[in-house]
This record gives sequence, C-alpha cells and structure tokens, in this order.
Amino acid sequence: KAGVTQTPRYLIKTRGQQVTLSCSPISGHRSVSWYQQTPGQGLQFLFEYFSETQRNKGNFPGRFSGRQFSNSRSEMNVSTLELGDSALYLCASSSDKTEAFFGQGTRLTVV
Amino acid sequence: AQSVTQLGSHVSVSEGALVLLRCNYSSSVPPYLFWYVQYPNQGLQLLLKYTSAATLVKGINGFEAEFKKSETSFHLTKPSAHMSDAAEYFCAVSGKLTGGGNKLTFGTGTQLKVEL
Repeated sequence: KAGVTQTPRYLIKTRGQQVTLSCSPISGHRSVSWYQQTPGQGLQFLFEYFSETQRNKGNFPGRFSGRQFSNSRSEMNVSTLELGDSALYLCASSSDKTEAFFGQGTRLTVV
Repeated sequence: AQSVTQLGSHVSVSEGALVLLRCNYSSSVPPYLFWYVQYPNQGLQLLLKYTSAATLVKGINGFEAEFKKSETSFHLTKPSAHMSDAAEYFCAVSGKLTGGGNKLTFGTGTQLKVEL
C-alpha cells in the first residue's frame, strides 16, 4: 500500500509570491491534515479536510488555505509569502479516529 | 484544550543503555496519545499509539510506552539503545473534537543522541 505522497519535496520562492503544495493520502483515507514545522514554533496544526470539507482549522492567517478533491487528494496554498513562512510542511492522512500517517514533507524556503 | 509537555529537549545515552523519553499530557477528554520519530529531512513515523485499550503499549523498533492516568504521563522507553535510534521524538495528543476530526497537538520534541 503506497504511503502519503507530497510534492514537491523542495521549493524556493520569493517574498510576495504564492505557492501550492500537493498531498496524496493513503488509498481509502478520507481525512487529510496539514502541519507546519519550524525550529521556533515546532509542529503546528494548519487545517484538516474530510470528504472535501474543512473540518478543523488552526490559528493561521487567511493567507493559508487548502482544499480537498473528490479523490481525497489535497492542496494547500500560501499567498503573499513572507520570510517566516519558510518551513517544512507536512501532510498527514487518516482513516478517521485513528492514527495519522505522515508524508515526507515539502521544504519551503522563502527568499 | 489539549497539550503535551516533553521534558528534556536533548537526551544522550550510551549504546546499549536504557532510553527514557518523558511526556506528560493535559486533556479535558479521554486522550489518544502517540509517539512519533523524525529522522533528518524526513516526515514523522508513528512509533506507537494509546487509544484506551491496554495501558502498556508496544511499538516498532523495540519501543514501548505506559499510559499512567494518575500521573498524566506517557513516557517512551527502550531497554537497549542502538545507534540507529538517534533521531527526534515527538509526543502527541488528540481527542474527540466537536464535529469529529483529527487534530494532533505535539510536544516540542526530544532529540535523542546515542553514543558509542
């Protein structure tokens, strides 16, 4: 069974640009969550999607958004990038009320 | 609100020695508790989980953890450390959210160093 796939693995963007990250969950999993990991703030919950609906949201500004497609694949978008958005973005998939399985992450660097 | 506290941001042990990584949780609902491991430039790998069944939970790579409600703890142990155990370890908690959902709240992590 394939694991969680995140693309791309590495990304370099300029301040003010926008970026879209992609996550393909484990087959059959309908829940996809996104986390931001930075040295200063640690692992922080961004949002969770379930059956194409945002079910939970963390404390991030509106520049961070996401969506989920009918095949459960998810994308997150960050607009008007700031230097502080440099981080490892992790996607996790779950079959609901069970453990979460994480992808390898996308390392975003904003310059 | 839920939270976890990991005591010790860095732990160093000798190869073959006992590994003990500490985690205390706070939760207003019965918690689900997890330990994850992260190797450099990698995602998180689940080591083990507690979901209100047996209080002593066995995981992968010889790790285990014991849920102690009276102490609100979920410490991770391994009898004999191996060089390959060097990594960062995260304790996490989740619980039933209004409307359902999966949200993990992580501790700040413990970097484990294994020395010869």
